[in-house]
Amino acid sequence: NAGVTQTPKFRVLKTGQSMTLLCAQDMNHEYMYWYRQDPGMGLRLIHYSVGEGTTAKGEVPDGYNVSRLKKQNFLLGLESAAPSQTSVYFCASSPAGVRPDRARGGNQPQHFGDGTRLSIL
Amino acid sequence: GQSLEQPSEVTAVEGAIVQINCTYQTSGFYGLSWYQQHDGGAPTFLSYNGLDGLEETGRFSSFLSRSDSYGYLLLQELQMKDSASYFCAVGRGYSTLTFGKGTMLLVSP
Repeated sequence: NAGVTQTPKFRVLKTGQSMTLLCAQDMNHEYMYWYRQDPGMGLRLIHYSVGEGTTAKGEVPDGYNVSRLKKQNFLLGLESAAPSQTSVYFCASSPAGVRPDRARGGNQPQHFGDGTRLSIL
Repeated sequence: GQSLEQPSEVTAVEGAIVQINCTYQTSGFYGLSWYQQHDGGAPTFLSYNGLDGLEETGRFSSFLSRSDSYGYLLLQELQMKDSASYFCAVGRGYSTLTFGKGTMLLVSP
């Protein structure tokens, strides 16, 4: 199993250019997420999706759009790239619902891709 | 809002035990998770606490006290390969996570 695959792995853009980052998962997970990671900032949630055709905003959604046309794919778009969007972008997926051991409470673990390193000049 | 506090860096020697603390403030809580990230790599899931108490997975254990909004990750019998960043994360609805800024663990011989 490939798990979560992100393409491209590296990209350099000029300010104002647009691009789309692709995330694909083969684990049949319902939920998918996009994060950005900056030095000293940890991971911050950009957008997420709880199923095909649905998306929702995370902590830092401005300047990004997403689409989930197929269950296995989650696209992140930058319409007009800015230097402040230079970052490492991680996609993740998780099963829906609570953990099987319900007595221990909620969330399922997230499975991450290897990241896309994006530089905007 | 959400905020998590964890130390920025911890150092230890091989074979030792280290504890990484995490305190949080959150308006919604679906458990505390821990993720490991090696330099240049992807975060990987380590441990989860949905209820108070200790969870043990091999050399790693995690603890949660919801009344104190506090948790920790305990790493025993440290190995060089444990040198990495460790993130605590508070769970919210739909398995979304709010991450802390991470603790860099440096293990020396």
